[in-house]
Amino acid sequence: EVQLVDSGGGLVQPGRSLRLSCAASGFTFGDYAMHWVRQAPGKGLEWVSGISWNSDSIDYADSVKGRFTISRDNANNSLYLQMNSLRAEDTALYYCGKDMFTMVRGAIRSWGQGTLVTVSS
Amino acid sequence: QSVLTQPPSASGTPGQKVTISCSGSSSNIGGNTVNWYQQLPGTAPKLLIYNNSRRPTGVPDRFSGSKSGTSASLAISGLQSEDEADYYCAAWDDSLNGWVFGGGTKLTVL
Repeated sequence: EVQLVDSGGGLVQPGRSLRLSCAASGFTFGDYAMHWVRQAPGKGLEWVSGISWNSDSIDYADSVKGRFTISRDNANNSLYLQMNSLRAEDTALYYCGKDMFTMVRGAIRSWGQGTLVTVSS
Repeated sequence: QSVLTQPPSASGTPGQKVTISCSGSSSNIGGNTVNWYQQLPGTAPKLLIYNNSRRPTGVPDRFSGSKSGTSASLAISGLQSEDEADYYCAAWDDSLNGWVFGGGTKLTVL
């Protein structure tokens, strides 16, 4: 059974940094693209970033480009999101997602439970 | 303001058929496939339809998707109370080089 466990969220001041992690199990992690998707309180879904199976292809939403960095460690079945220069509008529940395919243009088949990031002074 | 446009709400009675629309442009729906996600209250989203009309294993055939030009739609037949959820369409956008979602449609089963 595919399992994605998101962690690393918390309360952080504007301008500070936070690193999210996603621990994957139940599938061959290195065979699939992965994503981060966020959902602000009471709002809809917003794709944040995606990374291909071998990290060769990485994309970001314009809203986080230059501030967030996605990475993966296939040896340890883990996905990361380094978030710098955080803003109040980054406050959201962040979900890790597994794509159906090796590249990021497939579909997010499995989702983590989400980790809440709150940016506030 | 979402790149893909969905009606904010939809409703139907048990057993009815409901359709949810998703409108985009040539850079997203017009040139790429559409996925649909269901989000039950308080839970993570679930993939319902991918590649415009394909259902992942385990999704009932009451759910169907279609695409025409720069628009797509999700149809739910034989509506059940457990279908009450938020539904989101998504497509890759070639101009933005990323995934875009619709604003979501809240489905109420009366």
